[in-house]
Amino acid sequence: AQSVSQHNHHVILSEAASLELGCNYSYGGTVNLFWYVQYPGQHLQLLLKYFSGDPLVKGIKGFEAEFIKSKFSFNLRKPSVQWSDTAEYFCAVTRPSGSARQLTFGSGTQLTVLP
Amino acid sequence: DVKVTQSSRYLVKRTGEKVFLECVQDMDHENMFWYRQDPGLGLRLIYFSYDVKMKEKGDIPEGYSVSREKKERFSLILESASTNQTSMYLCASRRSGSGYTFGSGTRLTVV
Repeated sequence: AQSVSQHNHHVILSEAASLELGCNYSYGGTVNLFWYVQYPGQHLQLLLKYFSGDPLVKGIKGFEAEFIKSKFSFNLRKPSVQWSDTAEYFCAVTRPSGSARQLTFGSGTQLTVLP
Repeated sequence: DVKVTQSSRYLVKRTGEKVFLECVQDMDHENMFWYRQDPGLGLRLIYFSYDVKMKEKGDIPEGYSVSREKKERFSLILESASTNQTSMYLCASRRSGSGYTFGSGTRLTVV
């Protein structure tokens, strides 16, 4: 069965520290990959996505992610975090079955950035 | 911008009540989804629909049903609410070939 693993449940960093959040998926076929962010009290927003092409994907707010097919990974990175990056981050993968391409989410990583 | 609107931000219902969660999108998207979000579990798919009157079970459909009589509206129904259905419910929509747009969520508490 398809699964998405985010191994870090809670990450605490100081401002200006570098960030890397892990995401691994189990499906061996073609996948589309996403990172979503949910700021406190707000709805889910798309940070970035990978469909094909360059495996290094740049998203909004200085985030990027690298798709490493051999490792089934799609880790999220940011060189220097800010207090405003405090949020919950979700990795997601589409299962290419059926017409709706439903997303499977990881369990989420809570990022707390200390000022 | 596409808007996905969930009619209630917060709901409190009693055990055994029938509960309707409404979701409306304004961009003629074919696909609509209902997820629930629980701490430590992430978002789990309850049901989805890829066309009017069409529905498919997701990963955790038990205790839920859905209705899609019109393209823009996708309703989640809890036939007899239970305390383990206390959760944040998120609706999403998507046009085939494009990304997802999520609503703001409905926080349901069943007492």
